[in-house]
Amino acid sequence: SAVISQKPSRDICQRGTSLTIQCQVDSQVTMMFWYRQQPGQSLTLIATANQGSEATYESGFVIDKFPISRPNLTFSTLTVSNMSPEDSSIYLCSVDGSSGAHTDTQYFGPGTRLTVL
Amino acid sequence: LAKTTQPISMDSYEGQEVNITCSHNNIATNDYITWYQQFPSQGPRFIIQGYKTKVTNEVASLFIPADRKSSTLSLPRVSLSDTAVYYCLVGDSGSNYQLIWGAGTKLIIKP
Repeated sequence: SAVISQKPSRDICQRGTSLTIQCQVDSQVTMMFWYRQQPGQSLTLIATANQGSEATYESGFVIDKFPISRPNLTFSTLTVSNMSPEDSSIYLCSVDGSSGAHTDTQYFGPGTRLTVL
Repeated sequence: LAKTTQPISMDSYEGQEVNITCSHNNIATNDYITWYQQFPSQGPRFIIQGYKTKVTNEVASLFIPADRKSSTLSLPRVSLSDTAVYYCLVGDSGSNYQLIWGAGTKLIIKP
């Protein structure tokens, strides 16, 4: 299994500012994913980040609001731009764990808890 | 993409066996069934995956009937540390990981 770290673990930001969240994996992975999880709610996929190509965004999420970088096979960033209180959430990074016997399994980072005032 | 339905919450006691059932009536032929566990302030953690019949690992068992329209996660002899949210998902390698995460089942284990 992959070990995933995220920075920062939490932050409190002012509306109108931007925050970049980093995701680091201890091994090379093809696919990385960014999720949002409201407190007490389920996970919503924001986008899939592949190295060497633009991220693929899910319905309701756009690149101008959530730009993503994927410079290599072990690292990705998600930026939450022009933040509003509605962006307060937990942001999770995950990676593809399907290289073994399982399909469609993912390994998750610890998450970044964002509060926008 | 198959949608899943699970109980919102369940309670049990230490030492008991807990069974959480998930329904997925429109599961496709190529779909696998995967369960995740999530503790507060942590990302979800893979528990078990299966396609049909029964799968067992060191943590849990997964029972899948022949029609595959439901599945049951079985946790033997639970402890307080098993208190968490459990998610059931279905999908295949061709779904581009567009898995639908349902509300999950909040399991509370009491002493």
